[in-house]
Amino acid sequence: SQQGEEDPQALSIQEGENATMNCSYKTSINNLQWYRQNSGRGLVHLILIRSNEREKHSGRLRVTLDTSKKSSSLLITASRAADTASYFCATDPTGSEKLVFGKGTKLTVNP
Amino acid sequence: KAGVTQTPRYLIKTRGQQVTLSCSPISGHRSVSWYQQTPGQGLQFLFEYFSETQRNKGNFPGRFSGRQFSNSRSEMNVSTLELGDSALYLCASSSGGRANEQFFGPGTRLTVL
Repeated sequence: SQQGEEDPQALSIQEGENATMNCSYKTSINNLQWYRQNSGRGLVHLILIRSNEREKHSGRLRVTLDTSKKSSSLLITASRAADTASYFCATDPTGSEKLVFGKGTKLTVNP
Repeated sequence: KAGVTQTPRYLIKTRGQQVTLSCSPISGHRSVSWYQQTPGQGLQFLFEYFSETQRNKGNFPGRFSGRQFSNSRSEMNVSTLELGDSALYLCASSSGGRANEQFFGPGTRLTVL
């Protein structure tokens, strides 16, 4: 089963609004990463947050990590049509040798 | 710096055939990982190579194999293709390993008829 589960599975918003996506995972992790994928293409790394960090910013992106709740959130502020994509969280579970991806949140930003 | 390249981009095969996919990582990256992406199962880890050695392997049958060359280029091979092998196969490289930022290629879309 997937280590990370994104929520919601799909999200549709208007340009200019904020988009929040959540990721929950099951076991302890070393770090958590967020990636974006435009339709049928490769993934693009957005941000990496380590298990000892609580919040990280990159441009219009804000990521939080709550290891006690085993959850993370990705906030995209002032969304644009170009943000339309699927967003995945990926965890690096402690003791595991694999980077495990969730099934993603499909974000649609309407102009 | 050139990005990760994958060839071919699209492939159509029939059941029972075999296929070889190629991945050239970013220059200087020694770790190459392969993933299979399908609508039903999402992104699943196949294997990771580091300095020509398979370092990690996912839960896939032995029909899926790979290798890495001294220049870090990697190939994966799928033998005796099944319909369920139809997927987008993604290659990713990193400077360290799977815990680091992964740089993905555009993928190879494999269709098995």
